[in-house]
Amino acid sequence: QVQLQESGPGLVRPSQTLSLTCTVSSVSISSGDYYWSWIRQPPGKGLEWLAYIYYSRKTYYNPSLKSRLRISLNASKNQFSLRLSSVTAADTAVYYCATMVENEGDYFQHWGQGSLVTVSS
Amino acid sequence: QSVLTQPPSVSGAPGQRVTISCTGSSSNIGAGYAVQWYQQLPGTAPKLLIYGIANRPSGVPDRFSGSKSGTSASLAITGLQAADEADYYCQSYDSSLSVWVFGGGTKLTVL
Repeated sequence: QVQLQESGPGLVRPSQTLSLTCTVSSVSISSGDYYWSWIRQPPGKGLEWLAYIYYSRKTYYNPSLKSRLRISLNASKNQFSLRLSSVTAADTAVYYCATMVENEGDYFQHWGQGSLVTVSS
Repeated sequence: QSVLTQPPSVSGAPGQRVTISCTGSSSNIGAGYAVQWYQQLPGTAPKLLIYGIANRPSGVPDRFSGSKSGTSASLAITGLQAADEADYYCQSYDSSLSVWVFGGGTKLTVL
């Protein structure tokens, strides 16, 4: 069973860069089976897809956040990471890493437990 | 404002059947993009419940079923149990926004 675990600072200052890493277990990030994705959920609100990266390093970003997002992959560590620059309080959310499958619809099959990131001075 | 519209809340008694609707448009559900459903228990990550409109991943009880008609989709839950109390989200792809989108979520209360 694929397991995902987010890690990173729980508090980020406004205007700084948020950095999160997702460690993948039980499958190689280079397998080509999944698109490695990030999704966030502000407290008490709904879900917002942010970005994905494929093992080939093909990336795709949410157009509304594209200018501030960077996703990368470290195959040797079986990890992928997200960076969100120039953060504001509106970026406070639980950030999930997830696997996306392109088969009978694009769906998010496995999820990490989530990492709460608070943007505050 | 979510591109996919869900009722904020639904409720039902144990053993009853409830449905949760997800209304989209011609750029997502109506365009033929598949619909997925996720269950989010309090304090936990979402869990895939239905994919490709009506397919259940291994381990998901057949009490959960999905359907689609036109620009809308529905999740039906039969034989309601207290353990089903959770938030439910629909998800699809929107070709106008070029992004994967989620509904605003529906809170299911088991009376």
